[in-house]
Amino acid sequence: AQKITQTQPGMFVQEKEAVTLDCTYDTSDQSYGLFWYKQPSSGEMIFLIYQGSYDEQNATEGRYSLNFQKARKSANLVISASQLGDSAMYFCAMREGPDSGYALNFGKGTSLLVTP
Amino acid sequence: GAVVSQHPSWVICKSGTSVKIECRSLDFQATTMFWYRQFPKQSLMLMATSNEGSKATYEQGVEKDKFLINHASLTLSTLTVTSAHPEDSSFYICSAKAERTDTQYFGPGTRLTVL
Repeated sequence: AQKITQTQPGMFVQEKEAVTLDCTYDTSDQSYGLFWYKQPSSGEMIFLIYQGSYDEQNATEGRYSLNFQKARKSANLVISASQLGDSAMYFCAMREGPDSGYALNFGKGTSLLVTP
Repeated sequence: GAVVSQHPSWVICKSGTSVKIECRSLDFQATTMFWYRQFPKQSLMLMATSNEGSKATYEQGVEKDKFLINHASLTLSTLTVTSAHPEDSSFYICSAKAERTDTQYFGPGTRLTVL
């Protein structure tokens, strides 16, 4: 079963606007971590933001914020004031408990295109 | 901080040869390293998890004799694709995690093309 679901294969946003990339997850663990990574066309995976399952406040990192709704099992990424350089693939990932070896389960990704 | 390097960034080889890919954590000690594979326009798929000084744990369906993983030090893990075939052509990317932290930092990836 898919543990991370990203329902938006592609998204467009105009420069300077905000955009929300959706992510839902499935786990029975109480302790888990949620991540967002950016992958530009060069292929490198760039860490953006992290939310622990016990964190009460939504994580923020500069223009990135994570809208964590635990009861809904969602962890949407919000990018404010989009820039042309934000065009890339975005992956949501989850780290489950120790039994999983701390490996990440990735969603299928969302391709974001920022237009002028 | 938290820089992970990977070498080579791309490699082209003949079918039947072996290829070694190195993954290094440059500014932290990586107790655990992970190897992923990514096909074009697809997500990352975990191949194996390696802890320093231990044998790697392979995911179901990944041949451990074909994809040899060594994690001999806290800053270096290697993936050797043995007797490579065209179907092994892919983007291989490693990540590294320090002890008592959650975040994995990724290397820039290696694009392997087997002719």
